[in-house]
Amino acid sequence: GENVEQHPSTLSVQEGDSAVIKCTYSDSASNYFPWYKQELGKRPQLIIDIRSNVGEKKDQRIAVTLNKTAKHFSLHITETQPEDSAVYFCAAKPGGYSTLTFGKGTMLLVSP
Amino acid sequence: NAGVTQTPKFQVLKTGQSMTLQCAQDMNHNSMYWYRQDPGMGLRLIYYSASEGTTDKGEVPNGYNVSRLNKREFSLRLESAAPSQTSVYFCASSRSDLANTGELFFGEGSRLTVL
Repeated sequence: GENVEQHPSTLSVQEGDSAVIKCTYSDSASNYFPWYKQELGKRPQLIIDIRSNVGEKKDQRIAVTLNKTAKHFSLHITETQPEDSAVYFCAAKPGGYSTLTFGKGTMLLVSP
Repeated sequence: NAGVTQTPKFQVLKTGQSMTLQCAQDMNHNSMYWYRQDPGMGLRLIYYSASEGTTDKGEVPNGYNVSRLNKREFSLRLESAAPSQTSVYFCASSRSDLANTGELFFGEGSRLTVL
């Protein structure tokens, strides 16, 4: 089955800095890669996603890049703010399945 | 729209007891899922139902059973609870094909403690 590795497990940055979270996946047939944000005590919510036919996608301060050859994808957050503090999960959808395999999460702490 | 609603929000069980977690969605989604979340382990899929009338095992199905009661409802049952099943359980739903229709919608979670 699909295996998704996520790094780092924790990330501390100063407000205004950029943050990068990286994930690798094992199934070359995976074709959909979403990122979810989970604030403390809340449910995970989708913040951005990318499909396998696209190399990069941006939405305001967040962007995701995908390298299919290397089987890795990354989340980039620019101009971080304290409200960006949360746990971020990457995920991959294995080819032929309607399920997501999640990484173990990255706790991002943005200090004022 | 309430989205995805799961009950109960909190439950404490003794080892060996049974219980059912209930989940309902009002978004007319075809697919429903049960995940468990443990510290440092991310979200792991227990069971899913790609469409009404079907259920399939996920990554960690042992000790659990599910029922897709109708299109709206998907329940998770622990027949004989064990301390290893102490976790936060999330129900989720999506339209048929995640890659084409995107988002997985989660419920608020159910925190289960097994003593």
